[in-house]
Amino acid sequence: AQKVTQAQTEISVVEKEDVTLDCVYETRDTTYYLFWYKQPPSGELVFLIRRNSFDEQNEISGRYSWNFQKSTSSFNFTITASQVVDSAVYFCAGSGGGADGLTFGKGTHLIIQP
Amino acid sequence: AAGVIQSPRHLIKEKRETATLKCYPIPRHDTVYWYQQGPGQDPQFLISFYEKMQSDKGSIPDRFSAQQFSDYHSELNMSSLELGDSALYFCASSLGRAGLSSYNEQFFGPGTRLTVL
Repeated sequence: AQKVTQAQTEISVVEKEDVTLDCVYETRDTTYYLFWYKQPPSGELVFLIRRNSFDEQNEISGRYSWNFQKSTSSFNFTITASQVVDSAVYFCAGSGGGADGLTFGKGTHLIIQP
Repeated sequence: AAGVIQSPRHLIKEKRETATLKCYPIPRHDTVYWYQQGPGQDPQFLISFYEKMQSDKGSIPDRFSAQQFSDYHSELNMSSLELGDSALYFCASSLGRAGLSSYNEQFFGPGTRLTVL
């Protein structure tokens, strides 16, 4: 069984600030996959990134960056120069692979104030 | 690009009625997943299918059943509806049951909002 912990329930920052969302993933699997999804107020779930447990390379995509550290089971997500449109609930999720379902964290509600 | 299609988008039912939700995966995707998201909650995995066979099972109630058809679309059948079944139901699809070296991300549909009165 997997467990995904997003300790931050809600974060509120002013536009243009950088913000980091935390995620801790616990599993007994030696191979696993981690994801971040965004859920804006309209309700859809938007895929942002996938990371494999054997690949600790960090990644930057535009204003988004991800930091995966296997030793601490953390998979953190940073938005640089936040914008109001970034306001959403962000979910971290994990899976053992194959056609396994995703285990989601409770989500972090990110509020970007103008 | 084509996305996952779910129908209907909204559904209102009375207690003890039945409901059928449909999901049409992204073309060429052969794996389908169903999730339930209650108000203010995280999505909960219900069940998945790969090549028309049940693959993984989560917290799906016995009152619910699902299947995947030869054209890869899937249907979630819900019977004896309860007030607590009111939720957003997502279908997701992915391409293939990948091996240990890779894993294909799940792309979600817009969801079906079910309200049970």
